[in-house]
Amino acid sequence: QLQLQESGPGLVKPSETLSLTCTVSGDSISSGSHYWDWIRQSPGKGLEWIGSVYYSGSTFDNPSLKSRVTISVDMSQNQLSLKLSSVTAADTAVYYCASRTHGGPLGYWGQGTQVTVSS
Amino acid sequence: DIQMTQSPSSLSASIGDRVTITCRASQGISNYLAWFQQKPGKAPQSLIYAASSLQSGVPSQFSGSGSGTDFTLTISSLQPEDFATYYCQQYHSYPLTFGGGTKVEIK
Repeated sequence: QLQLQESGPGLVKPSETLSLTCTVSGDSISSGSHYWDWIRQSPGKGLEWIGSVYYSGSTFDNPSLKSRVTISVDMSQNQLSLKLSSVTAADTAVYYCASRTHGGPLGYWGQGTQVTVSS
Repeated sequence: DIQMTQSPSSLSASIGDRVTITCRASQGISNYLAWFQQKPGKAPQSLIYAASSLQSGVPSQFSGSGSGTDFTLTISSLQPEDFATYYCQQYHSYPLTFGGGTKVEIK
């Protein structure tokens, strides 16, 4: 059974970079059997897909985030990471990592981690 | 981007009621449509994929239908554990997008 667990600071200052990690267990990222996604949820904007990464390093991200997103994988740690630069209060949200097969729906989700942007 | 519009945004229903939630895509997405259930403080859980296929372990009172732009999630007989918020999501093309959600509350 695939399990995902997000981790990272719960508080980030405005204009700084939000950095989160998602640790995967139950499968190896290097197997290539899944795409790995980041999604966030805030009261004002509902569920918003941030972007996706494949084991090869190929990424897809949401143009709405205006190139502030960097998603990568660390196969030695079986982790994926998210960096979101120049954060504002609008980036306050619960951040989830999730997985899906190629052409398939989001399947497994982490429990989510709350990130607040505030000075 | 493909916009996903859900209706209603909320509804009140009683135990045993039949509940229908609709989701409309701004352009055709074939059957690349998933439904999720979310309870407060928890991550969304997958109910249905490919518009009408039930995820393993999901109770049979849930069903989905539709193709192209119009989709429906039906709960045939509402149970106490079904009070939650439901989201549709398209995975036809990037960026992946979600509907705004339907909150199902107790009448």
